[in-house]
Amino acid sequence: QSALTQPPSVSGSPGQSVTISCTGTSSDVGNYNRVTWYQQPPGTAPKLIIYEVSNRPSGVPERFSGSKSGNTASLTISGLQAEDEADYYCSSYTRSNTYVFGTGTTVNVL
Amino acid sequence: QVQLVESGGGLVKPGGSLRLSCAASGFTFSDYYMSWIRQAPGKGLEWISYISDNGRTTYHADSVKGRFTISRDNAKNSLYLQMNSLTAGDTAVYYCARAVTFDIWGQGTMVTVSS
Repeated sequence: QSALTQPPSVSGSPGQSVTISCTGTSSDVGNYNRVTWYQQPPGTAPKLIIYEVSNRPSGVPERFSGSKSGNTASLTISGLQAEDEADYYCSSYTRSNTYVFGTGTTVNVL
Repeated sequence: QVQLVESGGGLVKPGGSLRLSCAASGFTFSDYYMSWIRQAPGKGLEWISYISDNGRTTYHADSVKGRFTISRDNAKNSLYLQMNSLTAGDTAVYYCARAVTFDIWGQGTMVTVSS
């Protein structure tokens, strides 16, 4: 199972919006709504921020939103804040009853 | 509060074995699937394995199949990962995570495979 494809990095100024893509195949992202997103600041464990494509767990700010079209899922951070600087990973359930993570994206706040 | 605490990591020689443990608290452990995920130094996340709530169903990534075994003891609120035939490529921080949404993570335990 190959990792889902994410851009290595995205950048934005405070207050701007950034979008991270997560591209898989019809065997994972394209066929299941079990796409999740995680935020990992340096030196810490990952934290769930989006589940089932577009749902936010309690306590996650509304500026984080998720969507999916075909084999590509996306995470948008609106109103970028300095504290959003971190690595972000997507994940999907697969046809093989396994899970696969994305390659990871570093968000830089300029 | 809801918490997962991993233990058992350390330095092991190539070809060696190690057993990781994950102690759960603050929630009904037996109600949840549980997972192991690892992260090599400076690299991304890699899903390793998950186990059903009753322990009867398990799945492992191809990279560890036949070498790693996930198990659990619901009476002890504990998750385990038996790792055999370790190679340098298994060097990573190993995290346990709740459910298959991985909604709660432990702090991780470092496994280093080196001679």
